[in-house]
Amino acid sequence: DAKTTQPNSMESNEEEPVHLPCNHSTISGTDYIHWYRQLPSQGPEYVIHGLTSNVNNRMASLAIAEDRKSSTLILHRATLRDAAVYYCILLNRDDKIIFGKGTRLHILP
Amino acid sequence: DAEITQSPRHKITETGRQVTLACHQTWNHNNMFWYRQDLGHGLRLIHYSYGVQDTNKGEVSDGYSVSRSNTEDLPLTLESAASSQTSVYFCASSDIRNTGELFFGEGSRLTVL
Repeated sequence: DAKTTQPNSMESNEEEPVHLPCNHSTISGTDYIHWYRQLPSQGPEYVIHGLTSNVNNRMASLAIAEDRKSSTLILHRATLRDAAVYYCILLNRDDKIIFGKGTRLHILP
Repeated sequence: DAEITQSPRHKITETGRQVTLACHQTWNHNNMFWYRQDLGHGLRLIHYSYGVQDTNKGEVSDGYSVSRSNTEDLPLTLESAASSQTSVYFCASSDIRNTGELFFGEGSRLTVL
């Protein structure tokens, strides 16, 4: 079973920030937090990942709670092209890579 | 540019036939994975490999097999296709074992009649 919990769906308005939450209360010290997204009719694509510190890249920001039991993917200014299913997964060297059902993000024009 | 390609992109077959889905990557990644995705559901891991001659079972491996004879390819074989195996299949690869960025192919849609 997936080790993360995400809301099934979220809505946001275009050009506004979006905060996608992920709970991972059983995270271990060696687990990396990865986010992927899947656009309609496409394979998943990498968004961002982190271990302990907050991370930023051109696509998004990742805010990791101090106790690492939750994280938030932040899209700073959502566009219609950001409508997708977003997956939060925990990866470590020894475990299988298991995806959950993700959060379906709807962007309202 | 390096890439990961799957073939065929679409296939229709009959129950009981053997089917092989190809996955080829040019990144020279050691790690390769096969997932299936059913309509309205997330991705489920079928098989994975950490290198040549290495293969491992995932969450839903029954009815599927893989072989890794070189770094670039991980073909997925359905020995006797069943209607329950109608799905979209995604191949992925990564460089760092289990923690590196996963690169996905565009998917192979398989219909078993």
